[in-house]
Amino acid sequence: DTEVTQTPKHLVMGMTNKKSLKCEQHMGHRAMYWYKQKAKKPPELMFVYSYEKLSINESVPSRFSPECPNSSLLNLHLHALQPEDSALYLCASSQSSGENEQFFGPGTRLTVL
Amino acid sequence: EDQVTQSPEALRLQEGESSSLNCSYTVSGLRGLFWYRQDPGKGPEFLFTLYSAGEEKEKERLKATLTKKESFLHITAPKPEDSATYLCAVHYGGSQGNLIFGKGTKLSVKP
Repeated sequence: DTEVTQTPKHLVMGMTNKKSLKCEQHMGHRAMYWYKQKAKKPPELMFVYSYEKLSINESVPSRFSPECPNSSLLNLHLHALQPEDSALYLCASSQSSGENEQFFGPGTRLTVL
Repeated sequence: EDQVTQSPEALRLQEGESSSLNCSYTVSGLRGLFWYRQDPGKGPEFLFTLYSAGEEKEKERLKATLTKKESFLHITAPKPEDSATYLCAVHYGGSQGNLIFGKGTKLSVKP
């Protein structure tokens, strides 16, 4: 199984809502990532989890809260988002947080009203 | 200063017209260079990893090569289904294991 899955595919939320994005992989990878991608731009790294511990937080606002319940799951909790947070949110995984290739999920298209 | 630069930004080809995409990098201590294909609204799809100068990888109509300063993605006899944005990314000694992406090349192949 070489797949990274993400749910939901699409999400529309108001600025006062609380929602969560979910990501799952069953490749035995020990590093998992959240990226944000705006239209016509490359993916922008948000968080890195290595062996279920947060290793990198790229100065992301606290309205984004990551969680890694186990080695196969990664969540991104959203609260009090702004319209400019609307984007494609991508999850990825790799064998380790080194030079191994990362495999991406299909993404969640988030719209904040 | 961009560390990974892709050119051209956009490329239009006729079906069967071979060409190359370029990814130049200025980082030191390269640990890996990665090519991805991305279709609109979808996640990047992994294509190749290159680790050292002189290395080449092939997959169907695609061939990736690496020198000490740049990588090329050669597309031979492209088909309309090859239309996508191609992203190049690098890991290097100072990137803490992170991927540093170029801005991509949008390829359109007309029948």
